[in-house]
Amino acid sequence: GQSLEQPSEVTAVEGAIVQINCTYQTSGFYGLSWYQQHDGGAPTFLSYNALDGLEETGRFSSFLSRSDSYGYLLLQELQMKDSASYFCAPYSGNTPLVFGKGTRLSVIA
Amino acid sequence: KAGVTQTPRYLIKTRGQQVTLSCSPISGHRSVSWYQQTPGQGLQFLFEYFSETQRNKGNFPGRFSGRQFSNSRSEMNVSTLELGDSALYLCASSLDWNEQFFGPGTRLTVL
Repeated sequence: GQSLEQPSEVTAVEGAIVQINCTYQTSGFYGLSWYQQHDGGAPTFLSYNALDGLEETGRFSSFLSRSDSYGYLLLQELQMKDSASYFCAPYSGNTPLVFGKGTRLSVIA
Repeated sequence: KAGVTQTPRYLIKTRGQQVTLSCSPISGHRSVSWYQQTPGQGLQFLFEYFSETQRNKGNFPGRFSGRQFSNSRSEMNVSTLELGDSALYLCASSLDWNEQFFGPGTRLTVL
């Protein structure tokens, strides 16, 4: 079967750095996607890691360790607009993405 | 390119009724997936259609069904509505599973 673990809530200060961890268990793993969802909005794709290591896209970076079944999303120079829910989603080939409950990030002044 | 559109955006129904939700994917996307989102359960996969065929199905009762038309537009139907069906229903289209493009969702309230 599949399992997914993320912290339910994280709070961080504006301008700081925050890391959202994700551990997963799935068969036939291809890679790990991250999505952002603001309250009242639709999830939007942030990144996809197929290989081990860090991928950087502006203020956001995503890391994957396939051997540890672990990944994280790193958000730098936090802004108030980064307050949202963040979902990791393991990709196992031609099968549905498992999103889980996500991590609610609150950025405070 | 236009994004994924869903209609209606809001819907109020009573228990026992049925409802049909519609989704138009991004042009060229043949895969359309449906998700149910509730505060307690997060994002849960309902089913996926590809080229008019259901390719994957989540763990939902048979009251939840869907279909896809030749133009890739998709509908989902929920029959005999229950209070617990109140949720945000999201549709997503994609070329590849690892990147889904979501629509704004339909907020269904069952009274």
